[in-house]
Amino acid sequence: GQQVMQIPQYQHVQEGEDFTTYCNSSTTLSNIQWYKQRPGGHPVFLIQLVKSGEVKKQKRLTFQFGEAKKNSSLHITATQTTDVGTYFCAGPRDSNYQLIWGAGTKLIIKP
Amino acid sequence: EADIYQTPRYLVIGTGKKITLECSQTMGHDKMYWYQQDPGMELHLIHYSYGVNSTEKGDLSSESTVSRIRTEHFPLTLESARPSHTSQYLCASSGRDRGQFFGPGTRLTVL
Repeated sequence: GQQVMQIPQYQHVQEGEDFTTYCNSSTTLSNIQWYKQRPGGHPVFLIQLVKSGEVKKQKRLTFQFGEAKKNSSLHITATQTTDVGTYFCAGPRDSNYQLIWGAGTKLIIKP
Repeated sequence: EADIYQTPRYLVIGTGKKITLECSQTMGHDKMYWYQQDPGMELHLIHYSYGVNSTEKGDLSSESTVSRIRTEHFPLTLESARPSHTSQYLCASSGRDRGQFFGPGTRLTVL
């Protein structure tokens, strides 16, 4: 069945280091969405990418959608403690347009 | 203020009890969703609705039911709670071509 895989599961970084999470779909997606969930919180919508090869920036966050619209990445430059949380990607299912979610990448800042 | 609300935030109940988790949104969104999420894990869609009098089951087999009599209200009912239902339940809504907006969640513990 249609799947969205996300790697890595965890990433430990020193504050100030960069962070990247990758999302790969088994099928071409019409769009991909990214969400952030702080520990103990709920997912918060960050962005939606629609176009092939699209790149969008939000301050230190850079989002990319692959040319084939099957993969995406989120890159955070110079992480801060406020970036801690789990980052999820999600894309619409072909059959009913409901979102298929990646398993998330947890960003952990080393003390 | 446009928002999405869930009550109760926390609930501890005994096995066999019937419970209803409330969800309301003031954003005028047609689409609403219920997800189940264990701590730090991926989201599983259990029910969704495209509008009034429309409800569908999601990917995760669930013993719960939902109703959508009013646009803003999407309650979830468990007829007979079991320990396996212990989890966090997240309600979300979405408008046209935008991401999903989540409520704060209900943390359910069934003893």
